[in-house]
Amino acid sequence: AQKVTQAQTEISVVEKEDVTLDCVYETRDTTYYLFWYKQPPSGELVFLIRRNSFDEQNEISGRYSWNFQKSTSSFNFTITASQVVDSAVYFCALLTGRRALTFGSGTRLQVQP
Amino acid sequence: DVKVTQSSRYLVKRTGEKVFLECVQDMDHENMFWYRQDPGLGLRLIYFSYDVKMKEKGDIPEGYSVSREKKERFSLILESASTNQTSMYLCASSDTGQGAYEQYFGPGTRLTVT
Repeated sequence: AQKVTQAQTEISVVEKEDVTLDCVYETRDTTYYLFWYKQPPSGELVFLIRRNSFDEQNEISGRYSWNFQKSTSSFNFTITASQVVDSAVYFCALLTGRRALTFGSGTRLQVQP
Repeated sequence: DVKVTQSSRYLVKRTGEKVFLECVQDMDHENMFWYRQDPGLGLRLIYFSYDVKMKEKGDIPEGYSVSREKKERFSLILESASTNQTSMYLCASSDTGQGAYEQYFGPGTRLTVT
């Protein structure tokens, strides 16, 4: 069975602080994909990144970076110099052979001005 | 741009009513999905379909059924709505192929059953 755990229910930071959102996953499949989605107050999920299980390279995209470590089954997401517009619920998700995503419970990030 | 649309943003129904939630995608995607989102539980898969007239149960199919008569349209049906089906419902679609596993989501339908 697949499982994704986002232990942080809610995080509050002040603008310009760095923040890391944790994601731990469980699967017995050797081939899988990991995702992060952002859900702003408008409600629509926005795709941020996809990583496959054979690519452990960290990725940076502007103020966003992702750290994938198979040894600890983690796929953490860091926002550098957070902004108010980063306030949202962030979901980590896992895709294996069944083609449908298994989501974590989400982390609500509040960035205060 | 991929577009996934859902028939309603907000819906209020009475207990026992039959409810149809419609989802349409315009990118010729093979796969379509229905999730429900509840606070503290994330998104949970109700049903998905990988082809016309094909469907598979997800993690919480009880009380729901689906229909996929055309490739672009995937309907979620609540045969007899109950108050515990009050939730946000999200539809998604994805293509099938090498590396093409990103799911695109619709705006969601917030259903209230009274």
